[in-house]
Amino acid sequence: QITLKESGPTLVKPTQTLTLTCTFSGFSLSTSGVGVGWIRQPPGKALEWLALIYWDDDKRYNSSLKSRLTITKDTSKNQVVLTMTNMDPVDTATYYCADRPRLSYPFDNWGQGTLVTVSS
Amino acid sequence: EIVLTQSPGTLSLSPGERATLSCRASQSVISTYLAWYQQKPGQAPRLLIYGASSRATGIPDRFSGSGSGTDFTLTISRLEPEDFAVYYCQQFGSSQFTFGPGTKVDIK
Repeated sequence: QITLKESGPTLVKPTQTLTLTCTFSGFSLSTSGVGVGWIRQPPGKALEWLALIYWDDDKRYNSSLKSRLTITKDTSKNQVVLTMTNMDPVDTATYYCADRPRLSYPFDNWGQGTLVTVSS
Repeated sequence: EIVLTQSPGTLSLSPGERATLSCRASQSVISTYLAWYQQKPGQAPRLLIYGASSRATGIPDRFSGSGSGTDFTLTISRLEPEDFAVYYCQQFGSSQFTFGPGTKVDIK
């Protein structure tokens, strides 16, 4: 059984850096083809893909947010970490992580999401 | 960047009716890289369709996907009460993974 769970602060101040951790089980991020991504969803709005990291440490970022995002993995801990700098109230959203079990396949299993509010 | 447009924004139907949801891309998408998700309030999205027409594990056969190039369709043959939700299409053929704005299917 594959599970993913997001963790991190629920409230951050404007200009601060957000660090979120995705802890997963049931698969390995050292398996060829596997990836883990981050997606967010502002309240009442659509999904927005943020970043993706692959088993070989290849990384992809949303081009409009690339300068603010960093994604890393710790294979031994089964964790993927996303950092987003210079947070703004418009970044208030539920942040999800999800697995991509192989190339040519979309996001399959998703975490429950974590709501991050940006406010002073 | 490929932009996805979904229509209609809201679809009001009754249980038992057929739902047809459209996803249009700003440039051609390889079918392999087109997916559909369902999201209910307070829940994470659930993968329904991958490769434009293949159902994900455990998805009932009343859900079907079709299309190619820039035009894709999700069809729900007979709406069940649990199918009233928001549906998103997604493309991931380029290095950018984009979602459409969603179609809400609500009860008429």
